[in-house]
Amino acid sequence: NAGVTQTPKFRVLKTGQSMTLLCAQDMNHEYMYWYRQDPGMGLRLIHYSVGEGTTAKGEVPDGYNVSRLKKQNFLLGLESAAPSQTSVYFCASSYGGIYGYTFGSGTRLTVV
Amino acid sequence: EDQVTQSPEALRLQEGESSSLNCSYTVSGLRGLFWYRQDPGKGPEFLFTLYSAGEEKEKERLKATLTKKESFLHITAPKPEDSATYLCAVQAHFDEGSQGNLIFGKGTKLSVKP
Repeated sequence: NAGVTQTPKFRVLKTGQSMTLLCAQDMNHEYMYWYRQDPGMGLRLIHYSVGEGTTAKGEVPDGYNVSRLKKQNFLLGLESAAPSQTSVYFCASSYGGIYGYTFGSGTRLTVV
Repeated sequence: EDQVTQSPEALRLQEGESSSLNCSYTVSGLRGLFWYRQDPGKGPEFLFTLYSAGEEKEKERLKATLTKKESFLHITAPKPEDSATYLCAVQAHFDEGSQGNLIFGKGTKLSVKP
């Protein structure tokens, strides 16, 4: 009963490097989301997906790309990391509609 | 613009000292209001969903209520294990201006001392 699994849990990048964060859910949820959480800013939506093969921009999409090739996976990519992308990243999933979200445990990313 | 404001930012209580957290919201059409608990280093954990004014839900020492403009999370006789950050989020009805995604407040950090 894993729920939402995020990998890696921690990562340090140098400015300009690229990386991909992986989110996997085993609840057969249609909707998946990527948020970032910064002190004093709360949770802000980066990108989301309403189903396999679909993606859409959220509140703060610049500098990030996403892909949803399989229903259970949602990938978040940083092509050229910047110090402003230092944050804790959370993935979430839901059935959609009126249902709440199930969150992963987060990825703490530091860009130096 | 849809907005969620939580107060206070931080709250320190003695064990057994009851209190309330506030979540004020502005949304074009409320579909649901959600409360989450977040422990340090972990993801938010779902607590409640409220759908209409007057609705109340309870879980152990927590009780959530909803009016047309705000929601309260009442904590009765809190224990140290209730220490966490409590997040409020709203979901608007799907229309041209909203995809129905949750909009989160910044949270209230609760500390309960023994």
